[in-house]
Amino acid sequence: DMKVTQMPRYLIKRMGENVLLECGQDMSHETMYWYRQDPGLGLQLIYISYDVDSNSEGDIPKGYRVSRKKREHFSLILDSAKTNQTSVYFCASSLTRDSLEQYFGPGTRLTVL
Amino acid sequence: QQQVRQSPQSLTVWEGETAILNCSYEDSTFNYFPWYQQFPGEGPALLISIRSVSDKKEDGRFTIFFNKREKKLSLHITDSQPGDSATYFCAASVSSGSWQLIFGSGTQLTVMP
Repeated sequence: DMKVTQMPRYLIKRMGENVLLECGQDMSHETMYWYRQDPGLGLQLIYISYDVDSNSEGDIPKGYRVSRKKREHFSLILDSAKTNQTSVYFCASSLTRDSLEQYFGPGTRLTVL
Repeated sequence: QQQVRQSPQSLTVWEGETAILNCSYEDSTFNYFPWYQQFPGEGPALLISIRSVSDKKEDGRFTIFFNKREKKLSLHITDSQPGDSATYFCAASVSSGSWQLIFGSGTQLTVMP
């Protein structure tokens, strides 16, 4: 069963703390994405990873960094989290960069107090 | 600047009616338009998509109508069912080395039994 998983599903942090969001996929997809979803704004692309150690900024990369050391894992890191980073974060994957369909995980709801 | 706009923000229809969700875009180079369906607590999932060379795409009760000249498209859901209640995102993309999606802000559809 093809799946994108995200951990944790819910997270509460204080401003200034570091945050690590994990994403995994079991489909051997080359390309993975991190989005954030805010009310009224839809999904905004943070970072794309085309394969291991091949990452590219999306539309809103400021305040975030990513790590992809294995094809099946893609991490989103917030160094010194800010309150305006409170959001729902979605990871997605696609077979290759040329693939039209993206498969999304269930999301992580992050609250920064 | 929002490149993909959706209306209405929310829509309520009765079971059996046709729901019409609208989408417009600004960039004339966009050539691929997927619609994603998202249920509460889940990630978006691809529902149906259309390429700009077509003016209509049908999949069961779901139909996309595409007007390239006016840069508009719409998703028609016929014989709406309570199980169709979800948020629907229109997205647009153009291949420039990878299929990066630009999402609209979504339409929340409620189908009353």
